[in-house]
Amino acid sequence: SQTIHQWPATLVQPVGSPLSLECTVEGTSNPNLYWYRQAAGRGLQLLFYSVGIGQISSEVPQNLSASRPQDRQFILSSKKLLLSDSGFYLCAWSVRAPNEQFFGPGTRLTVL
Amino acid sequence: SQQGEEDPQALSIQEGENATMNCSYKTSINNLQWYRQNSGRGLVHLILIRSNEREKHSGRLRVTLDTSKKSSSLLITASRAADTASYFCATDDSSYKLIFGSGTRLLVRP
Repeated sequence: SQTIHQWPATLVQPVGSPLSLECTVEGTSNPNLYWYRQAAGRGLQLLFYSVGIGQISSEVPQNLSASRPQDRQFILSSKKLLLSDSGFYLCAWSVRAPNEQFFGPGTRLTVL
Repeated sequence: SQQGEEDPQALSIQEGENATMNCSYKTSINNLQWYRQNSGRGLVHLILIRSNEREKHSGRLRVTLDTSKKSSSLLITASRAADTASYFCATDDSSYKLIFGSGTRLLVRP
């Protein structure tokens, strides 16, 4: 069966520090991969998605970036965190159709 | 703005009652999906309804879709305290993306 892992579960970082969040998927090949951010009590904002190794589409211009170095690995990064980067970050995967998405447990990021 | 908008934003019911949540969207879709999120957790897929379907059932869940009105509803029958969560609709327009609504927070009181 397929599983999706995210780490760390929680993270507290100072403003201006770098960020690296990792997401890995097991049990499937060539998945579509997604990074979302969720503000408290709000819906999901799509940040990046990837349909293959090295292929990244950005939805929101900001100081975050994403990379997909391996088929089932998706990394969210920042060189310098802002206070506004605080939130709940969710990784998800899907197959092309019907695009039912499967979510990881999330990373709670607090930037101080 | 979000493609899908849920209504109401929050709903409080007694255990055993039915809960109905609505979702409206703006553009043509390939399918519409409903997800559930427990506090502080990832989302869990509940049910998918295709654009050529009008109603779908899964256990205590019933979803309807009216493409002429660009709206969908999720009915949870005989609610339980464990149904307390946020519920999101998401629309798929055949691109690689899902567009999520802002969610309905459901509280089921024991």
